[in-house]
Amino acid sequence: GAGVSQSPSNKVTEKGKDVELRCDPISGHTALYWYRQSLGQGLEFLIYFQGNSAPDKSGLPSDRFSAERTGGSVSTLTIQRTQQEDSAVYLCASSPGTTTTDTQYFGPGTRLTVL
Amino acid sequence: GENVEQHPSTLSVQEGDSAVIKCTYSDSASNYFPWYKQELGKRPQLIIDIRSNVGEKKDQRIAVTLNKTAKHFSLHITETQPEDSAVYFCAPKGRGYNKLIFGAGTRLAVHP
Repeated sequence: GAGVSQSPSNKVTEKGKDVELRCDPISGHTALYWYRQSLGQGLEFLIYFQGNSAPDKSGLPSDRFSAERTGGSVSTLTIQRTQQEDSAVYLCASSPGTTTTDTQYFGPGTRLTVL
Repeated sequence: GENVEQHPSTLSVQEGDSAVIKCTYSDSASNYFPWYKQELGKRPQLIIDIRSNVGEKKDQRIAVTLNKTAKHFSLHITETQPEDSAVYFCAPKGRGYNKLIFGAGTRLAVHP
């Protein structure tokens, strides 16, 4: 079946502009995660959704970052007033959401460049 | 929060040799221990995982061993091939929910 998809694959924006990144999880997966990966670095957790609620937002770096999920499926990560340090690859992952099936499946990522 | 460390940060081996990467974690409540492989420009992909009630798991040339007492688990790759060259991340499951805490990664280079 279809895997996790993300759009756009690349986004170039100017400092101060807002951007929206989209994630389509695997059908039926109730858990959805956003991570950020800077060049040559590991993955930094941003936020976790279970259904439409976000029980863990602890990784969001500032109040310029927000995310929502509607209908228990698609999620949007919004970055307001982008800064150059926001440049990174933003990865989305989904998992079935039960405690015995922890495997996370990643999307291809959105490469964000803030000029 | 959970502290996760991987060693070594880079590893260079000859084709056919074995490679071992170690991951140490701090949260004694962690109960799920995956390893992800990320090739250049690609997404991370799960290659093997282990749960806390098991000490070792093998899948062809790949194995993971877990020492819960010492709070570390290791990735073992035997008979390495050039296509094993990638960055490998450990990502033990942190306290609460399903959050994975990723290590900084180990860059493995397999030379023909």
